[in-house]
Amino acid sequence: GEDVEQSLFLSVREGDSSVINCTYTDSSSTYLYWYKQEPGAGLQLLTYIFSNMDMKQDQRLTVLLNKKDKHLSLRIADTQTGDSAIYFCAERGQAGTALIFGKGTTLSVSS
Amino acid sequence: DTEVTQTPKHLVMGMTNKKSLKCEQHMGHRAMYWYKQKAKKPPELMFVYSYEKLSINESVPSRFSPECPNSSLLNLHLHALQPEDSALYLCASTQAVTLNNEQFFGPGTRLTVL
Repeated sequence: GEDVEQSLFLSVREGDSSVINCTYTDSSSTYLYWYKQEPGAGLQLLTYIFSNMDMKQDQRLTVLLNKKDKHLSLRIADTQTGDSAIYFCAERGQAGTALIFGKGTTLSVSS
Repeated sequence: DTEVTQTPKHLVMGMTNKKSLKCEQHMGHRAMYWYKQKAKKPPELMFVYSYEKLSINESVPSRFSPECPNSSLLNLHLHALQPEDSALYLCASTQAVTLNNEQFFGPGTRLTVL
């Protein structure tokens, strides 16, 4: 079956880079997503990457995809306290319908 | 307009009440979704509507009843809920139910069942 795994916690200092990692099992996934959820709020789509890409950069965000190892990472440069949130990795399931989410990584940024 | 709106933001109801959650989008999306999210957990899919027809029901109890009156609106009718149904209910939409669509989420309705 489809499964998405993430580490649960990451703590960094303001100004440092954060790297959040994710592994997935469905090799037929064509799109992989990163969502951010602040406390009490809904999910905000941060970025996504198509499976034929290795890297995608969007301002402070860099997504790396290793399709052979089924490994996805999100790098946040110059991490700010406002980046503190839960970050969910997600893939679209085989049926092509709803997203399969990882358990989320709680990013804590200290000043 | 790339927004999915949900009302109400918060809802407190008793186990004998009947209430409804509403979701709206004006992006012309033809697929809409209901997810349930418990604290510190990922969202779990409940229902998928495609072109106003229910295409997926993830074995959700009948005390949750979805409705899609038109392509912009999605409702979730609640009746005889249990305290364990307390959660954040998220609505989402995509252009269509295919592999290559961004899924936009609303802010959610935080439901508390007493």
